[in-house]
Amino acid sequence: EAGVAQSPRYKIIEKRQSVAFWCNPISGHATLYWYQQILGQGPKLLIQFQNNGVVDDSQLPKDRFSAERLKGVDSTLKIQPAKLEDSAVYLCASSRGWRAKETQYFGPGTRLLVL
Amino acid sequence: DQQVKQNSPSLSVQEGRISILNCDYTNSMFDYFLWYKKYPAEGPTFLISISSIKDKNEDGRFTVFLNKSAKHLSLHIVPSQPGDSAVYFCAALLADDKIIFGKGTRLHILP
Repeated sequence: EAGVAQSPRYKIIEKRQSVAFWCNPISGHATLYWYQQILGQGPKLLIQFQNNGVVDDSQLPKDRFSAERLKGVDSTLKIQPAKLEDSAVYLCASSRGWRAKETQYFGPGTRLLVL
Repeated sequence: DQQVKQNSPSLSVQEGRISILNCDYTNSMFDYFLWYKKYPAEGPTFLISISSIKDKNEDGRFTVFLNKSAKHLSLHIVPSQPGDSAVYFCAALLADDKIIFGKGTRLHILP
């Protein structure tokens, strides 16, 4: 079974530029999560999808971050415009069911550096 | 305000000995706890979990203990192996499925 795929693995941009990350979850997994992990911190949930609907986006900075999961499969997370404090690893995870108790399978992450 | 605290940024343990990683929480509404393990340049992987109605859960070399009165949980690894060197995250769930991670503890297993 293929794991969660993310691309790109690394991205360097200047502040005020835009950036997009892509995630392909494990086949058949209904729930998809995007996390932000700042250096020295634990992952922080940004948004949770169940199929193509948003379950929780309470911690997503909606003035600059957006995410979509068209057709309930892969997902993109966009930042526009980026700020210095957005430098972090962006992790995508998926789970078979919708409860957070279900095991989440994480991708390798996209490391973003905003200069 | 950190609701899940891992106060030890790092821990070094001799191979073959017991590793004990600690986690404290402040919110008594947490009802489920998980431990994830993370290697460099990889995403976290699930290790073990425990419901708040239990005080112990064991899976092979890994045991998680929960002390609700102290709002404390610990992960025991016995015996510690070189492949256990990683960052360990404690995470807690609220009933509405909000998940909150601690900052992590880096475990070094010494030869």
